[in-house]
Amino acid sequence: QSALTQPASVSGSPGQSITISCTGTSGDIGAYYYVSWYQQHPGKAPKLMIYDVTNRPSGVSNRFSGSKSGNTASLTLSGLQAEDEADYYCSSYTSSGTLVFGGGTKVTVL
Amino acid sequence: QLQLQESGPGLVKPSETLSLTCTVSGGSISSNSYYWGWIRQPPGKGLECIGSIYYSGSTYYNPSLTSRVTISVDESKNQFSLKLSSVTAADTAVYYCSRQPTYYYMDVWGKGTTVTVSS
Repeated sequence: QSALTQPASVSGSPGQSITISCTGTSGDIGAYYYVSWYQQHPGKAPKLMIYDVTNRPSGVSNRFSGSKSGNTASLTLSGLQAEDEADYYCSSYTSSGTLVFGGGTKVTVL
Repeated sequence: QLQLQESGPGLVKPSETLSLTCTVSGGSISSNSYYWGWIRQPPGKGLECIGSIYYSGSTYYNPSLTSRVTISVDESKNQFSLKLSSVTAADTAVYYCSRQPTYYYMDVWGKGTTVTVSS
């Protein structure tokens, strides 16, 4: 299966908002509300930030929010902080019955 | 607090079988309706799902790996395992185990273990 498409990098200044896009097809993001987002700091395991498109796990800051429109999902980080600098990956369930990840987006806090 | 810990050889020879175990602590692997999965990340690259096993034993594999992958559960040891046969250098990666409350996302991850395929 093809990976979901994410921008290689996104940057913003502290306090600003940024949005990371994740583009798939009508066979994955477009068909299901099973999009999740993961944050990964260098040398660390990924951490779940958003599941089922919009849901935040307990303990995740409400500065993180998710949405979906058509074949594209988005992760918005509001009030950007230095600790948000990390790689972010989206994932979606697919009509093949599998899970597919995006290629990852490096977020830089300027 | 549920914790997962991967273990296994850090070096595997080409054409041999990679074998990893994930030990679950702080909870029972057979309680509730969880899936338990394996994900890998080649050096400098993104994440790839390898497969998952339901607490009842049903398995779900990445179609690109299904001919080489076996995931199993050992309830008596509170562990689940990954076997990947006929490995090549392309299988060199950090391997993570995870818990999936539903099939669709991973909420708890192990710290990962690096496996290098080389002679």
